[in-house]
Amino acid sequence: DTGVSQDPRHKITKRGQNVTFRCDPISEHNRLYWYRQTLGQGPEFLTYFQNEAQLEKSRLLSDRFSAERPKGSFSTLEIQRTEQGDSAMYLCASSLYSRNINQPQHFGDGTRLSIL
Amino acid sequence: GIQVEQSPPDLILQEGANSTLRCNFSDSVNNLQWFHQNPWGQLINLFYIPSGTKQNGRLSATTVATERYSLLYISSSQTTDSGVYFCAVRVYSSASKIIFGSGTRLSIRP
Repeated sequence: DTGVSQDPRHKITKRGQNVTFRCDPISEHNRLYWYRQTLGQGPEFLTYFQNEAQLEKSRLLSDRFSAERPKGSFSTLEIQRTEQGDSAMYLCASSLYSRNINQPQHFGDGTRLSIL
Repeated sequence: GIQVEQSPPDLILQEGANSTLRCNFSDSVNNLQWFHQNPWGQLINLFYIPSGTKQNGRLSATTVATERYSLLYISSSQTTDSGVYFCAVRVYSSASKIIFGSGTRLSIRP
């Protein structure tokens, strides 16, 4: 079990630029989640995939955000035309879902985004 | 939607002290997880405990689902226990996302 891996760990960019983050889940996990955490708050759900299908998106996920999981393994989260309010920690988690049972979610170390 | 409330919001203790952290939730849930977020931001799974009691070393947790609360006990605190403790619940109406509380920030003084 190598754990959930996220890249990069930190990203600093200017307002208006596009950024892309990558998440590699635990290999046997078929569900992959993205969360956002701002200072002093708990993580908030953004979206999740089961295999390659994106099954739910939060209203927090504006049109500038897009997530993909093309082969059902790693996932990318892209933010276009970044804004100051996008500064946050972006967390990825994965879990195994089978026989209608959801196993616990395991989190990566996150990507901290700072918008200048 | 479901509300998840944690108390206390902040807790400062001397090394060696014991503590109890509480998580209340406003609706039925089908699982509950406790996490520790260390000062480097890493979220570490502590317990997956939809009901009953579990123990892992100096930590234990109890969830009483019928009364909609969970407790996390930390005994003989160490400075490495410092950080933020979150509980997170999954509601029956959604089989995917988990909803986090706002956390309890624990500071252990040497």
